[in-house]
Amino acid sequence: DAGVTQSPTHLIKTRGQQVTLRCSPKSGHDTVSWYQQALGQGPQFIFQYYEEEERQRGNFPDRFSGHQFPNYSSELNVNALLLGDSALYLCASSHRGTEKGYSNQPQHFGDGTRLSIL
Amino acid sequence: GEDVEQSLFLSVREGDSSVINCTYTDSSSTYLYWYKQEPGAGLQLLTYIFSNMDMKQDQRLTVLLNKKDKHLSLRIADTQTGDSAIYFCAESKRRDDKIIFGKGTRLHILP
Repeated sequence: DAGVTQSPTHLIKTRGQQVTLRCSPKSGHDTVSWYQQALGQGPQFIFQYYEEEERQRGNFPDRFSGHQFPNYSSELNVNALLLGDSALYLCASSHRGTEKGYSNQPQHFGDGTRLSIL
Repeated sequence: GEDVEQSLFLSVREGDSSVINCTYTDSSSTYLYWYKQEPGAGLQLLTYIFSNMDMKQDQRLTVLLNKKDKHLSLRIADTQTGDSAIYFCAESKRRDDKIIFGKGTRLHILP
């Protein structure tokens, strides 16, 4: 049973470019959350997708956008890249289920995509 | 507000117990987590505890929760060199809700 998979594992971009990161959730999971982990910091919540809609959003600018597909996989897009966007981007998946929004297992994290901006 | 605080460094001699402490501010936090991150790797969920519990034990790991003081601790018994990592304390209101992380405690093992 594959866990959460993210691609690519590493990426180098230059300022002003755009990037797309991808995440496939763990089998049976329908909710995907994205986090940014800057060097020396804890992960910070970017947004969460469920049923192909953004359900929650953290304190990130509109340059950060996402998408969820019918197969529950997700993309994170970042436009107009800044040096400060260099970080490890983590995807987490969970199963929201049908019981008042409560899932029945904790969120599982992927190994992340390390994005470097030159 | 939502904030999780933890000390940044801890050095422990191999074979001793490690205790990593954490405080959080959101009294509505229902789930409290400990994650482990090794260099260059993603996050590994070590254990979690519900806010209506005081303690949870899982092999060498013991989690203690003082809900009144909003204090969470992780004890690792018989610390080994493989325990060297950064440990993140985290909380969420629901299991599928956004997770709020602390800055992490770097555990260094002394020979």
